[in-house]
Amino acid sequence: DTAVSQTPKYLVTQMGNDKSIKCEQNLGHDTMYWYKQDSKKFLKIMFSYNNKELIINETVPNRFSPKSPDKAHLNLHINSLELGDSAVYFCASSQVRGMPAADTQYFGPGTRLTVL
Amino acid sequence: AQSVTQLDSQVPVFEEAPVELRCNYSSSVSVYLFWYVQYPNQGLQLLLKYLSGSTLVKGINGFEAEFNKSQTSFHLRKPSVHISDTAEYFCAVSALEYGNKLVFGAGTILRVKS
Repeated sequence: DTAVSQTPKYLVTQMGNDKSIKCEQNLGHDTMYWYKQDSKKFLKIMFSYNNKELIINETVPNRFSPKSPDKAHLNLHINSLELGDSAVYFCASSQVRGMPAADTQYFGPGTRLTVL
Repeated sequence: AQSVTQLDSQVPVFEEAPVELRCNYSSSVSVYLFWYVQYPNQGLQLLLKYLSGSTLVKGINGFEAEFNKSQTSFHLRKPSVHISDTAEYFCAVSALEYGNKLVFGAGTILRVKS
């Protein structure tokens, strides 16, 4: 059973298109995250939701819009895709146990987005 | 702000040799420290973490790390590596004062050769 799953695994699209990446976790966690890993493998947080509420919103272009329909799902929609959006996007989840900064995050397998 | 420096981008080592992957952090507050591993084409998986208490932390797959507050370091070690340890290793830090965000280093690729 996959704990954190993402679809699709690969996404190739043209500049200017709109695309979505879906994430689901079956761990019963209440916090979910989106990270971007660039071509140099540098991993940076983009967004975090806790019980469907946005709690972290880094300096990300507003072309990126996360949506959390329930606490088990966190989707990422990207409008007007640009070449620089090419990266691997990771979803993660964690269970808050009193000290959110100390929580273990569980990562999905990643979605490799290529913008042509 | 907090930041993480992984001093080696790649570490080649022969099978059954010991290895140390270095990590230094900068922060003006107390932090929590993590090591994650990423196998090829997979997501990240927690190896170990330091929250408080004993400065020597043992993790999965025979890895351990030592928190050194005076040197602001959290180096990862394994006494004898296997081919299957070939992966990228990420050091990360978080703190309540910085919004509980996990900040990652640039990663160290461990290549184990036979």
